[in-house]
Amino acid sequence: DSGVTQTPKHLITATGQRVTLRCSPRSGDLSVYWYQQSLDQGLQFLIQYYNGEERAKGNILERFSAQQFPDLHSELNLSSLELGDSALYFCASSDRGGSKTEAFFGQGTRLTVV
Amino acid sequence: DQQVKQNSPSLSVQEGRISILNCDYTNSMFDYFLWYKKYPAEGPTFLISISSIKDKNEDGRFTVFLNKSAKHLSLHIVPSQPGDSAVYFCAGRVEYGNKLVFGAGTILRVKS
Repeated sequence: DSGVTQTPKHLITATGQRVTLRCSPRSGDLSVYWYQQSLDQGLQFLIQYYNGEERAKGNILERFSAQQFPDLHSELNLSSLELGDSALYFCASSDRGGSKTEAFFGQGTRLTVV
Repeated sequence: DQQVKQNSPSLSVQEGRISILNCDYTNSMFDYFLWYKKYPAEGPTFLISISSIKDKNEDGRFTVFLNKSAKHLSLHIVPSQPGDSAVYFCAGRVEYGNKLVFGAGTILRVKS
C-alpha cells in the first residue's frame, strides 16, 4: 500500500460527459502529480501541484483541469469526454521533505468513455 | 518530445540469469533517475534511483548504472526471478519542481 488513494477505481461514462477523479496523497506529502496511461503507452505527465499551487504542466488538454485543496487532496476534472480519453489515470505524491526523491503512486482510476 | 526513451518494448530472460533494461534521455536538467515496476491493474512502485552525480547504485538484486556522457542508464537485475515479470519504467526527475518524466516502459518476462 503506497498510501496514495484514488477514487473511483473504475468509471464508465459517455462521450461529451464530465467526470472528476479524486486523489488523496500520502500523509504529509505536499506534491501531487497526475499521469495518464493510454493503452500500450507509457505514463504521460499531465500536471503537478505543490501545496495548493500549480507547479508544472505537461501535455494536459484544455478540456482537462485540476486543483489541489487546502487539505492537499487533488481532483482532476475531465470534460467534453472523447473516446480517446479512455485510459488509466494515476495520481502520485511526494515531497514530505528530506532526501527522498521518489513519488508514490495510487492504484489508478480506469476511465472508459463509450 | 520524448525526453526519456526505452527503446525495447519487451525483454524475455531465463530465471536465474541477468536482466538488463535500458533507458536513454535527452534532458540534461534531470537531477535524479528512477526505476519503477508496474504489475497489471496496479500503480507503479518505486524500485531504485540514482543521482545524476553518481554512476552506480545498488540495492540487493537491483543495480542501476548511469553513463552521463552517453545519456544512458541501465537497470540490472541479478538473478532474475519469475516475480520480477512486470513493466519497468525509467524516469528522470526535473531538477526544479520534482516532475517525473517517464519512458514508455519495457515488459520484462522471466521464464522459469
